[in-house]
Amino acid sequence: AQSVTQLGSHVSVSEGALVLLRCNYSSSVPPYLFWYVQYPNQGLQLLLKYTSAATLVKGINGFEAEFKKSETSFHLTKPSAHMSDAAEYFCAVSGQAGTALIFGKGTTLSVSS
Amino acid sequence: GAVVSQHPSWVICKSGTSVKIECRSLDFQATTMFWYRQFPKQSLMLMATSNEGSKATYEQGVEKDKFLINHASLTLSTLTVTSAHPEDSSFYICSARAGTSGSGTGELFFGEGSRLTVL
Repeated sequence: AQSVTQLGSHVSVSEGALVLLRCNYSSSVPPYLFWYVQYPNQGLQLLLKYTSAATLVKGINGFEAEFKKSETSFHLTKPSAHMSDAAEYFCAVSGQAGTALIFGKGTTLSVSS
Repeated sequence: GAVVSQHPSWVICKSGTSVKIECRSLDFQATTMFWYRQFPKQSLMLMATSNEGSKATYEQGVEKDKFLINHASLTLSTLTVTSAHPEDSSFYICSARAGTSGSGTGELFFGEGSRLTVL
């Protein structure tokens, strides 16, 4: 079985500051890991994914995440926050390619000017 | 990238009526589709897995007689909320797996979601 835990339901940063959103996973098999962003009343947009290739994954909009097996983590970072980054972020895991994703509870990112 | 479309985006209905939500893969064939439910300010909860031409597999606690799922073609799955009640009000999101994407990436393509409000 797979699960993810997102630490911190709400993260607030200033524009230009580092963004760090935490995600820890649990999986009985090598996991596929994902980060999605959701804007109000919209669907999900894939930011990046880990599929057992490079442990440092670069995604869209300047986001990246590092897979650390020893820490069972897949934290999402962005060097400099932008106002448009304010949204809900979800970490997700699956155990096999193409199977249903299991989502974390989400982290709301607020960006202040 | 692959596109998954949901319709309607918004629907308001009276208590006791049934509502159908469509999920279409526009540029690929989806052998498997997943339906999620999202309550306000909460995460996405998997409701069921739908495979083309066969019965859907429901997650524990999801009433299969209330949430009817049909996956009659490789590009269309429907979710029908039968005899809807206010507690069924939610954001429903579908996702689709391309049947020919044997790359093993595990990526699913998500629809834009459908917000159901039951009065």
